Amino acid sequence: GQSLEQPSEVTAVEGAIVQINCTYQTSGFYGLSWYQQHDGGAPTFLSYNGLDGLEETGRFSSFLSRSDSYGYLLLQELQMKDSASYFCAVRDRRNRDDKIIFGKGTRLHILP
Amino acid sequence: EPEVTQTPSHQVTQMGQEVILRCVPISNHLYFYWYRQILGQKVEFLVSFYNNEISEKSEIFDDQFSVERPDGSNFTLKIRSTKLEDSAMYFCASKGLADVLGEQYFGPGTRLTVT
Repeated sequence: GQSLEQPSEVTAVEGAIVQINCTYQTSGFYGLSWYQQHDGGAPTFLSYNGLDGLEETGRFSSFLSRSDSYGYLLLQELQMKDSASYFCAVRDRRNRDDKIIFGKGTRLHILP
Repeated sequence: EPEVTQTPSHQVTQMGQEVILRCVPISNHLYFYWYRQILGQKVEFLVSFYNNEISEKSEIFDDQFSVERPDGSNFTLKIRSTKLEDSAMYFCASKGLADVLGEQYFGPGTRLTVT
């Protein structure tokens, strides 16, 4: 079966750092992506890890350990606009195209 | 910046009716997808489409669903006989050949309400 586990909710303070963990168990694995979704909006791509290690994009970083089937998203210098849901997603590329299997999402609440 | 567009933004239909949800992917993209998201739940994969044919579909995508690329720009999802449980947000997404990170670009979604 396919399963991705991530916390349902996380609360942090503006300006702080927060880490959202994700563990996965999927039949196919090509890489781990993170998507952000604001209320009523569409998912937007944040980052991708195809290999083990840390990828940094501005205030956001993402980490992958394939041997542990584990990854995390790190958000630094939190801003109120970062309040959203964050989905880890496995990229399952078994054909020439890509299928994304999404986790249930982590709702990030930011306090002033 | 190019974007995926979807119409309508909100569709209300009666149970048993047919609906067609429309999407215009980014123009040079080759891979197209439909996802759905029931309110408060995760985004679920429905179907992927490449080279004018379905390349993969999920268990949700049963005989009531079909997709079509009727011309060079539109990509549609048809639900033949809607059920109450089809009420959800439906997202179209597309991906280009050059997107080596696998980034899929999502449209704004169509909220389908079946009454």
